[in-house]
Amino acid sequence: DTGVSQDPRHKITKRGQNVTFRCDPISEHNRLYWYRQTLGQGPEFLTYFQNEAQLEKSRLLSDRFSAERPKGSFSTLEIQRTEQGDSAMYLCASSLGTSGPLYQETQYFGPGTRLLVL
Amino acid sequence: LAKTTQPISMDSYEGQEVNITCSHNNIATNDYITWYQQFPSQGPRFIIQGYKTKVTNEVASLFIPADRKSSTLSLPRVSLSDTAVYYCLVDSNYQLIWGAGTKLIIKP
Repeated sequence: DTGVSQDPRHKITKRGQNVTFRCDPISEHNRLYWYRQTLGQGPEFLTYFQNEAQLEKSRLLSDRFSAERPKGSFSTLEIQRTEQGDSAMYLCASSLGTSGPLYQETQYFGPGTRLLVL
Repeated sequence: LAKTTQPISMDSYEGQEVNITCSHNNIATNDYITWYQQFPSQGPRFIIQGYKTKVTNEVASLFIPADRKSSTLSLPRVSLSDTAVYYCLVDSNYQLIWGAGTKLIIKP
């Protein structure tokens, strides 16, 4: 399977703990996105990378959140000092960016990591 | 920032054509409209994308009027497996804005 993969699929943690999620995009895709989705809502854009450069961050992304994409391949999203409000599905997507705005590309999503903060 | 508005839910029956409309009053000149489908506990899946008039692929059609302030996703002859949430997406200032989605329930 050469689709987008995410690990872990589920994570339960206690408030105040740090968690890290991993996303492996489709191998030839240079753009990678992170979204957060809560129950009954659409995905909320968090950040995106073009290769290893983090080009955009949403205002939703507090200083407790950090994302990296070393070498332009896989990406990690870390949440420090988790809060109950961080409980959500964290989705990763990738696309093959050529030129033009992001929306002209098809984004391929992974299955998501469901986080529960107790 | 562009915002989208969709019906919260819709019901239909197998074999019927389903039309889901999305409003995007503040869409920018260069913005495209994209629709995704999402099943429970899965990531969204691309359905169709368009800029104006009509686009058709093997699973759906997308109708966009001249003023581009709305768009309609058309699913021909739906089946039970089309039960899902459908999202309308427009780009705005490089922060991708998703609608709340329309929960489509197909009944036998």
